[in-house]
Amino acid sequence: SQLAEENSWALSVHEGESVTVNCSYKTSITALQWYRQKSGKGPAQLILIRSNEREKRNGRLRATLDTSSQSSSLSITATRCEDTAVYFCATATNTGKLTFGDGTVLTVKP
Amino acid sequence: EAAVTQSPRNKVAVTGGKVTLSCNQTNNHNNMYWYRQDTGHGLRLIHYSYGAGSTEKGDIPDGYKASRPSQENFSLILELATPSQTSVYFCASGVDWSSYEQYFGPGTRLTVL
Repeated sequence: SQLAEENSWALSVHEGESVTVNCSYKTSITALQWYRQKSGKGPAQLILIRSNEREKRNGRLRATLDTSSQSSSLSITATRCEDTAVYFCATATNTGKLTFGDGTVLTVKP
Repeated sequence: EAAVTQSPRNKVAVTGGKVTLSCNQTNNHNNMYWYRQDTGHGLRLIHYSYGAGSTEKGDIPDGYKASRPSQENFSLILELATPSQTSVYFCASGVDWSSYEQYFGPGTRLTVL
């Protein structure tokens, strides 16, 4: 069974709007990361949030973690066309291995 | 900035043939990983390594071997390639387990006919 999964397969917004990608997971974790993958490239980490943290920010990005409901969200404000990508959540356990969700395709239209 | 390179970037192989995918990192990271990514899905861990000479099985190791001859290099070997191994393969490096962040290469697109 999928241990980490994003809740929407695809989202579409217009430039300047805000968008939120959600993720749920099924096991106890030590940390959760959000990655972005642009077309033809490898994933790149956006935010790392550890299990004892509730929120992390990185510029226009804000990630939250709710360990009681085993869920996380990634919000992007003032979206730009270059934010168009696939967004993955990846959970880490005490083994250190990452488990990736299937990803949410975000399209930002001009 | 972290640098992970992979070769080849594209590969077409025949069923039953041997395929070797190579990865090099200049970050001096201890950990290295091999993932595969199938269309519309996330990454799945095949093999990983804690350092030169070590290899460990990931979540989907069947049909794959790995080799870590040095800190910088990590190879993925398909001894008898099958069409089900057609995928995009990503290599990544990381400082250690506790830092969690992994730096990914650009990927190798493998097609097995």
